[in-house]
Parts: sequence; structure tokens; C-alpha cells
Amino acid sequence: DGGITQSPKYLFRKEGQNVTLSCEQNLNHDAMYWYRQDPGQGLRLIYYSQIVNDFQKGDIAEGYSVSREKKESFPLTVTSAQKNPTAFYLCASSIGGHLNTEAFFGQGTRLTVV
Amino acid sequence: QQQVKQSPQSLIVQKGGISIINCAYENTAFDYFPWYQQFPGKGPALLIAIRPDVSEKKEGRFTISFNKSAKQFSLHIMDSQPGDSATYFCAARQANAGNMLTFGGGTRLMVKP
Repeated sequence: DGGITQSPKYLFRKEGQNVTLSCEQNLNHDAMYWYRQDPGQGLRLIYYSQIVNDFQKGDIAEGYSVSREKKESFPLTVTSAQKNPTAFYLCASSIGGHLNTEAFFGQGTRLTVV
Repeated sequence: QQQVKQSPQSLIVQKGGISIINCAYENTAFDYFPWYQQFPGKGPALLIAIRPDVSEKKEGRFTISFNKSAKQFSLHIMDSQPGDSATYFCAARQANAGNMLTFGGGTRLMVKP
């Protein structure tokens, strides 16, 4: 069945480590997004990509990196430069364009620094 | 800079009552306003959405009211049920900026039986 798959569901990182969160979609969507969710702050955009091999910074891109080598995949790397990485990370995708298109979300990855 | 302001942060409603969540925005370039529902540990799911050329949209027990001149929109949940207990996010989309969504801070709704 179609959808967005994020893995792992839970991830623990030691101080100074880089970690990569996976996001795969089989919806044939052009656009993909990464959001960070903290309690009481809603969702904040980290990076987004409208097309393969192209991506733009969102509101809180510092300490994160992404790649978009395939249409289906948009992995997010949380680098050691991100000082407060503990959060719930959500990946989303949409058809793109100027239609009233729904953004579909994955089930999220909860990252904890230990 | 919070472009979409949502209130209240939390809401308790009795079963059968009306839940009302409000959002206000500043950016007139927003062209699409969805509401998302999120259960604990899950990703948000689209509930209902509206375009600014429509003042109201109703789907079942859920209604969006939109006031373009005031730059405000609200979600009304009629006959609220315990199963509606979740966190609700309003959002606004800017089509000329990669269709990215800007979210409000969320409202945690609890419907008491």
C-alpha cells in the first residue's frame, strides 16, 4: 500500500554523533519535507525538496543536512552541530504544484540524545 | 517570527459539545489553509482544508470558518466525541514558496465522556 515510511521509529544518539533519519515514499510525489516537532511549538520546517537533486533550507536548517538523489527518498542527517536535537521528526510529501494538494506525513522518528 | 498563531493551547470539552480552535495569520501570500489532526506518537493527518475564496467549508462534524479581511480562520467540531481527543494544527501554505506549510502551535483537545 502507498504511503510514507520513516525509520527508525526511535533513535538514540550520543553527543557528537551524526545520525541519519530515513524517509521513503511510494506515492510518486515530487515534493518532500522534513519538519521538527517540539512540545508546544507546532511543526517547524527544516528542509524541503521540490524535485530530485534540489532542496532548500527551511526555518531551522542549521545543524541538519539532506539529500535528494531519488524521487522516493529524502534522508535527513542530524549533525553534531545541532545543539538540541532531541525532538520528534516528521517527513512529509505532496504532489507539488499549485493545486490544493494534501501533504501526507510519515509516522515520525523520535530522536533522543543520551 | 510566528506567522500562524493558534489558540487555545489546550481545550477541554464535554462529550456532545462544540470545540472551537482559532488561528490567525499575517502573510497575505498564503493560499490554502488545512487543518491536521495528530494522535500521540503518530504523524499528522489532513482533516479538512479551505481556500481563501470560500468563507465556510463543512465536512461531517467539522467546519472551517474563514475571514479573509481579518486574516483569521477557525475549526469547529460539532457534537465532540472522546475519539476526537487529539492535537489539532492549523496550517497555511504559500504556493510560491515550494508549497511548504507553516503550522500553528497546536491545540490539545480533550473531550470528556
